[in-house]
Amino acid sequence: QKEVEQDPGPLSVPEGAIVSLNCTYSNSAFQYFMWYRQYSRKGPELLMYTYSSGNKEDGRFTAQVDKSSKYISLFIRDSQPSDSATYLCAMSSYGNNRLAFGKGNQVVVIP
Amino acid sequence: DAMVIQNPRYQVTQFGKPVTLSCSQTLNHNVMYWYQQKSSQAPKLLFHYYDKDFNNEADTPDNFQSRRPNTSFCFLDIRSPGLGDAAMYLCATSPLGLQETQYFGPGTRLLVL
Repeated sequence: QKEVEQDPGPLSVPEGAIVSLNCTYSNSAFQYFMWYRQYSRKGPELLMYTYSSGNKEDGRFTAQVDKSSKYISLFIRDSQPSDSATYLCAMSSYGNNRLAFGKGNQVVVIP
Repeated sequence: DAMVIQNPRYQVTQFGKPVTLSCSQTLNHNVMYWYQQKSSQAPKLLFHYYDKDFNNEADTPDNFQSRRPNTSFCFLDIRSPGLGDAAMYLCATSPLGLQETQYFGPGTRLLVL
């Protein structure tokens, strides 16, 4: 079983729709959960960061972490064509410099 | 703006010809990382520096080496590139104790002929 599982998609949605992305993981030591956005041929950009379980909202973006189910989600409300990118989940445990990434989920928002 | 800069953005090399990729940062972060990312795959950590303390991943081939002459700069040396080393190479930095918040450069895309 891989440490982090993320369905690569791709996912196509019409402009204005809600985008729902998720990852599952196997390592119960993970405490830090991140979502990175990566545009084509660019480096990943940190989008959301959550510590332990719970929800975090930032504008149109909401990150959810359910540690009991080892499941994290990212929701994008009112999606825009500029949201078209690959979204990577990543996670790490306390004191560990190493991030475990998912394979990324390609999202296309159609105008 | 504080940032992570990678040069060159595109690098073409020949099979077996050594190549060096560079990374610089203006964030003054203690930790620097090198990742390899192949198409449609997750970034794979090659090694990282904790200040000058070098940490190699167990599965990083010996063909990959790194140097960090000072806080701002870090280099990735590929001694004898093979066709399988063609990938995007990403440099990232993080503040000490905040490894979960990594800041990535734009990457160098390496093509091996």
